[in-house]
Amino acid sequence: GDSVTQMEGPVTLSEEAFLTINCTYTATGYPSLFWYVQYPGEGLQLLLKATKADDKGSNKGFEATYRKETTSFHLEKGSVQVSDSAVYFCALKANFGNEKLTFGTGTRLTIIP
Amino acid sequence: NAGVMQNPRHLVRRRGQEARLRCSPMKGHSHVYWYRQLPEEGLKFMVYLQKENIIDESGMPKERFSAEFPKEGPSILRIQQVVRGDSAAYFCASSPSGPGGELFFGEGSRLTVL
Repeated sequence: GDSVTQMEGPVTLSEEAFLTINCTYTATGYPSLFWYVQYPGEGLQLLLKATKADDKGSNKGFEATYRKETTSFHLEKGSVQVSDSAVYFCALKANFGNEKLTFGTGTRLTIIP
Repeated sequence: NAGVMQNPRHLVRRRGQEARLRCSPMKGHSHVYWYRQLPEEGLKFMVYLQKENIIDESGMPKERFSAEFPKEGPSILRIQQVVRGDSAAYFCASSPSGPGGELFFGEGSRLTVL
């Protein structure tokens, strides 16, 4: 079945550091890929998405590129801020059937000033 | 426009009791999804409902768990005779339409079974 494997946390970085959170997937066909973020005390929010190979999703300085050849969707940001501290979830959705998402385990990111 | 509202945020039950978790989708949303997050694991799909219909319950345990989304009122996830292994965070998400619609998540309900 479909699965998502993402970088284990927690990850701690200094402010303005470069961020990479790895995500790889296993799926049949051509899924859509997502990054969700959960800030403390809040629900999950969609951060960015890509629906086909070589698409790049971007939002709030974060980027991720859908790499079919490596079945990856790594999240990157050039310069993190304290406000980026949150839990990040990689997810996929099969492009048939309903909107069911398959999630990774989440990566807790802490940015220190 | 209020977001997806879940209550209670925290629920404590003793083994054998019943737990009821409620989810009010965003206004205008007719699709509801329930997910469970066990400690140190990702969110796992449980069930997908539209008003008065269960569309996909492939992630629901076969016993003790049930879900509904009535014509009026919130969606309810019901767990009968809870056991310690049911302790988890339960997340609800809603979407306004069928395939292609973005999911909007609530803050989750954390169930602790003593």
